Amino acid sequence: AQSVTQPDIHITVSEGASLELRCNYSYGATPYLFWYVQSPGQGLQLLLKYFSGDTLVQGIKGFEAEFKRSQSSFNLRKPSVHWSDAAEYFCAVGDGGSQGNLIFGKGTKLSVKP
Amino acid sequence: NAGVTQTPKFQVLKTGQSMTLQCAQDMNHNSMYWYRQDPGMGLRLIYYSASEGTTDKGEVPNGYNVSRLNKREFSLRLESAAPSQTSVYFCASSEYWGRPAFFGQGTRLTVV
Repeated sequence: AQSVTQPDIHITVSEGASLELRCNYSYGATPYLFWYVQSPGQGLQLLLKYFSGDTLVQGIKGFEAEFKRSQSSFNLRKPSVHWSDAAEYFCAVGDGGSQGNLIFGKGTKLSVKP
Repeated sequence: NAGVTQTPKFQVLKTGQSMTLQCAQDMNHNSMYWYRQDPGMGLRLIYYSASEGTTDKGEVPNGYNVSRLNKREFSLRLESAAPSQTSVYFCASSEYWGRPAFFGQGTRLTVV
Protein backbone atom coordinates (compact mmCIF):
# COMPACT_ATOMS: atom_id res chain seq x y z
CA ALA A 1 0.00 0.00 0.00
CA GLN A 2 1.07 3.53 -0.63
CA SER A 3 2.30 5.51 2.34
CA VAL A 4 3.98 8.82 3.03
CA THR A 5 6.22 9.62 5.97
CA GLN A 6 7.19 13.09 7.07
CA PRO A 7 9.69 12.39 9.86
CA ASP A 8 9.69 15.89 11.33
CA ILE A 9 6.54 17.00 13.14
CA HIS A 10 7.81 20.50 13.88
CA ILE A 11 10.80 22.45 12.58
CA THR A 12 11.98 25.91 13.60
CA VAL A 13 14.36 27.92 11.42
CA SER A 14 15.62 31.47 11.53
CA GLU A 15 14.45 33.92 8.93
CA GLY A 16 16.93 33.94 6.05
CA ALA A 17 18.19 30.43 6.79
CA SER A 18 17.80 27.56 4.37
CA LEU A 19 15.08 24.97 4.77
CA GLU A 20 14.70 21.30 3.95
CA LEU A 21 11.55 19.34 4.79
CA ARG A 22 11.78 15.61 4.45
CA CYS A 23 9.32 13.30 2.75
CA ASN A 24 9.69 9.55 2.19
CA TYR A 25 7.18 7.48 0.33
CA SER A 26 6.39 3.85 -0.23
CA TYR A 27 5.05 2.98 -3.65
CA GLY A 28 5.64 0.18 -6.12
CA ALA A 29 5.93 2.20 -9.30
CA THR A 30 6.88 5.75 -10.17
CA PRO A 31 4.57 7.88 -8.10
CA TYR A 32 3.06 11.27 -8.62
CA LEU A 33 4.40 13.45 -5.80
CA PHE A 34 3.10 16.70 -4.40
CA TRP A 35 3.85 19.26 -1.75
CA TYR A 36 1.07 21.37 -0.27
CA VAL A 37 1.18 24.25 2.20
CA GLN A 38 -1.52 25.13 4.69
CA SER A 39 -1.57 28.47 6.46
CA PRO A 40 -3.50 28.65 9.74
CA GLY A 41 -7.25 28.48 9.20
CA GLN A 42 -6.84 28.00 5.47
CA GLY A 43 -7.16 25.22 2.95
CA LEU A 44 -4.22 23.54 1.28
CA GLN A 45 -2.38 25.19 -1.58
CA LEU A 46 -0.33 23.24 -4.09
CA LEU A 47 3.35 24.25 -3.99
CA LEU A 48 4.73 21.91 -6.63
CA LYS A 49 4.31 18.51 -8.25
CA TYR A 50 6.40 15.80 -9.85
CA PHE A 51 5.01 13.48 -12.48
CA SER A 52 8.04 12.53 -14.58
CA GLY A 53 11.13 13.99 -16.24
CA ASP A 54 13.55 16.32 -14.51
CA THR A 55 13.87 15.20 -10.91
CA LEU A 56 14.35 18.74 -9.63
CA VAL A 57 11.07 20.61 -9.76
CA GLN A 58 10.42 24.25 -9.11
CA GLY A 59 7.31 25.49 -7.41
CA ILE A 60 5.69 28.66 -6.26
CA LYS A 61 7.01 30.96 -3.53
CA GLY A 62 10.64 30.01 -4.26
CA PHE A 63 10.31 26.35 -3.24
CA GLU A 64 11.86 23.41 -5.02
CA ALA A 65 11.86 19.67 -4.46
CA GLU A 66 14.03 16.83 -5.65
CA PHE A 67 12.79 13.34 -6.46
CA LYS A 68 15.31 10.67 -5.53
CA ARG A 69 14.10 7.26 -6.59
CA SER A 70 16.95 5.40 -4.88
CA GLN A 71 16.02 6.96 -1.54
CA SER A 72 12.23 7.03 -2.09
CA SER A 73 12.35 10.66 -1.12
CA PHE A 74 10.89 13.95 -2.30
CA ASN A 75 12.36 16.60 -0.01
CA LEU A 76 11.22 20.20 -0.15
CA ARG A 77 13.80 22.98 -0.05
CA LYS A 78 14.02 26.74 0.05
CA PRO A 79 17.31 28.68 0.07
CA SER A 80 16.14 31.53 2.31
CA VAL A 81 13.06 31.33 4.50
CA HIS A 82 10.75 34.30 5.00
CA TRP A 83 8.54 34.84 8.05
CA SER A 84 5.49 34.36 5.81
CA ASP A 85 6.59 30.77 5.13
CA ALA A 86 5.49 29.76 8.63
CA ALA A 87 2.77 27.18 7.96
CA GLU A 88 2.17 23.46 7.84
CA TYR A 89 3.54 21.51 4.90
CA PHE A 90 2.12 18.27 3.57
CA CYS A 91 3.70 15.79 1.21
CA ALA A 92 1.35 13.59 -0.82
CA VAL A 93 1.69 10.67 -3.20
CA GLY A 94 -0.68 9.43 -5.88
CA ASP A 95 -0.60 7.34 -9.02
CA GLY A 96 -3.11 9.14 -11.20
CA GLY A 97 -4.65 5.88 -12.29
CA SER A 98 -7.46 3.73 -11.01
CA GLN A 99 -6.14 4.22 -7.51
CA GLY A 100 -5.55 7.90 -8.04
CA ASN A 101 -6.32 8.91 -4.52
CA LEU A 102 -3.74 11.18 -2.92
CA ILE A 103 -2.21 9.79 0.26
CA PHE A 104 -1.06 12.58 2.55
CA GLY A 105 1.69 12.59 5.13
CA LYS A 106 0.87 13.82 8.60
CA GLY A 107 2.49 17.17 7.97
CA THR A 108 5.45 19.23 9.19
CA LYS A 109 4.78 22.47 11.01
CA LEU A 110 7.33 25.18 10.19
CA SER A 111 8.00 28.00 12.60
CA VAL A 112 10.22 30.91 11.60
CA LYS A 113 12.27 32.86 14.16
CA PRO A 114 12.89 36.55 13.49
CA ASN B 1 -12.50 33.43 -9.59
CA ALA B 2 -13.77 31.68 -6.43
CA GLY B 3 -12.20 28.23 -6.95
CA VAL B 4 -13.67 25.82 -4.40
CA THR B 5 -16.29 27.22 -2.05
CA GLN B 6 -17.45 25.41 1.08
CA THR B 7 -20.37 26.27 3.33
CA PRO B 8 -20.69 26.66 6.23
CA LYS B 9 -17.27 27.64 7.62
CA PHE B 10 -18.16 26.72 11.18
CA GLN B 11 -20.84 24.48 12.67
CA VAL B 12 -21.70 23.06 16.07
CA LEU B 13 -23.99 20.05 16.19
CA LYS B 14 -25.46 18.01 18.97
CA THR B 15 -24.93 14.27 18.94
CA GLY B 16 -27.52 12.65 16.69
CA GLN B 17 -28.28 15.72 14.61
CA SER B 18 -27.85 15.67 10.87
CA MET B 19 -26.37 18.21 8.51
CA THR B 20 -25.07 18.64 4.98
CA LEU B 21 -21.82 20.30 4.05
CA GLN B 22 -21.94 22.02 0.69
CA CYS B 23 -19.14 22.34 -1.82
CA ALA B 24 -19.06 23.99 -5.23
CA GLN B 25 -16.24 24.54 -7.71
CA ASP B 26 -16.16 26.86 -10.69
CA MET B 27 -13.13 25.42 -12.49
CA ASN B 28 -15.07 22.86 -14.57
CA HIS B 29 -13.20 20.08 -12.82
CA ASN B 30 -14.28 16.50 -13.28
CA SER B 31 -13.22 15.09 -9.92
CA MET B 32 -14.20 16.18 -6.44
CA TYR B 33 -13.22 14.98 -2.98
CA TRP B 34 -14.10 15.25 0.68
CA TYR B 35 -11.31 14.98 3.25
CA ARG B 36 -11.23 15.28 6.99
CA GLN B 37 -8.25 16.67 8.85
CA ASP B 38 -7.52 15.75 12.44
CA PRO B 39 -4.50 16.83 14.52
CA GLY B 40 -1.49 14.65 13.79
CA MET B 41 -3.40 12.59 11.23
CA GLY B 42 -2.87 14.52 8.03
CA LEU B 43 -5.77 14.42 5.58
CA ARG B 44 -7.90 11.34 5.13
CA LEU B 45 -10.20 10.80 2.19
CA ILE B 46 -13.85 10.28 3.10
CA TYR B 47 -15.50 10.02 -0.32
CA TYR B 48 -14.65 11.03 -3.82
CA SER B 49 -16.33 11.51 -7.15
CA ALA B 50 -13.98 10.74 -10.01
CA SER B 51 -16.48 12.13 -12.51
CA GLU B 52 -20.01 13.45 -12.60
CA GLY B 53 -22.45 10.68 -11.80
CA THR B 54 -20.03 8.52 -9.81
CA THR B 55 -19.10 8.41 -6.14
CA ASP B 56 -16.85 6.04 -4.23
CA LYS B 57 -15.74 5.45 -0.68
CA GLY B 58 -12.38 6.62 0.49
CA GLU B 59 -10.40 5.66 3.56
CA VAL B 60 -12.90 6.72 6.25
CA PRO B 61 -16.48 6.66 4.83
CA ASN B 62 -18.41 5.35 7.84
CA GLY B 63 -21.06 7.75 9.09
CA TYR B 64 -21.08 9.82 5.90
CA ASN B 65 -22.92 9.98 2.62
CA VAL B 66 -22.29 12.09 -0.46
CA SER B 67 -24.13 13.39 -3.46
CA ARG B 68 -22.59 14.62 -6.69
CA LEU B 69 -25.44 16.95 -7.56
CA ASN B 70 -23.94 18.08 -10.85
CA LYS B 71 -20.48 18.75 -12.20
CA ARG B 72 -20.04 21.78 -9.92
CA GLU B 73 -21.43 20.55 -6.63
CA PHE B 74 -20.50 17.75 -4.23
CA SER B 75 -22.18 17.58 -0.84
CA LEU B 76 -21.30 15.59 2.28
CA ARG B 77 -24.03 14.50 4.68
CA LEU B 78 -23.78 13.41 8.28
CA GLU B 79 -26.98 11.53 9.06
CA SER B 80 -26.46 11.16 12.81
CA ALA B 81 -23.51 13.15 14.05
CA ALA B 82 -21.13 11.67 16.62
CA PRO B 83 -18.39 13.35 18.66
CA SER B 84 -15.82 11.32 16.65
CA GLN B 85 -16.85 13.36 13.62
CA THR B 86 -15.54 16.54 15.19
CA SER B 87 -12.97 17.61 12.62
CA VAL B 88 -12.09 20.07 9.90
CA TYR B 89 -13.60 19.05 6.59
CA PHE B 90 -12.09 20.00 3.26
CA CYS B 91 -13.60 19.76 -0.15
CA ALA B 92 -11.26 19.62 -3.12
CA SER B 93 -11.48 19.32 -6.86
CA SER B 94 -9.14 18.39 -9.66
CA GLU B 95 -9.23 18.33 -13.42
CA TYR B 96 -9.04 14.55 -13.43
CA TRP B 97 -8.86 11.78 -10.89
CA GLY B 98 -5.42 11.79 -9.30
CA ARG B 99 -4.36 15.18 -10.65
CA PRO B 100 -3.36 17.99 -8.26
CA ALA B 101 -6.28 19.08 -6.19
CA PHE B 102 -7.49 22.55 -5.32
CA PHE B 103 -8.87 22.88 -1.83
CA GLY B 104 -11.63 24.89 -0.24
CA GLN B 105 -11.15 26.86 2.96
CA GLY B 106 -12.57 24.13 5.16
CA THR B 107 -15.51 23.62 7.51
CA ARG B 108 -14.74 23.36 11.20
CA LEU B 109 -17.34 21.01 12.69
CA THR B 110 -17.78 20.36 16.38
CA VAL B 111 -20.15 17.67 17.63
CA VAL B 112 -21.06 17.93 21.29
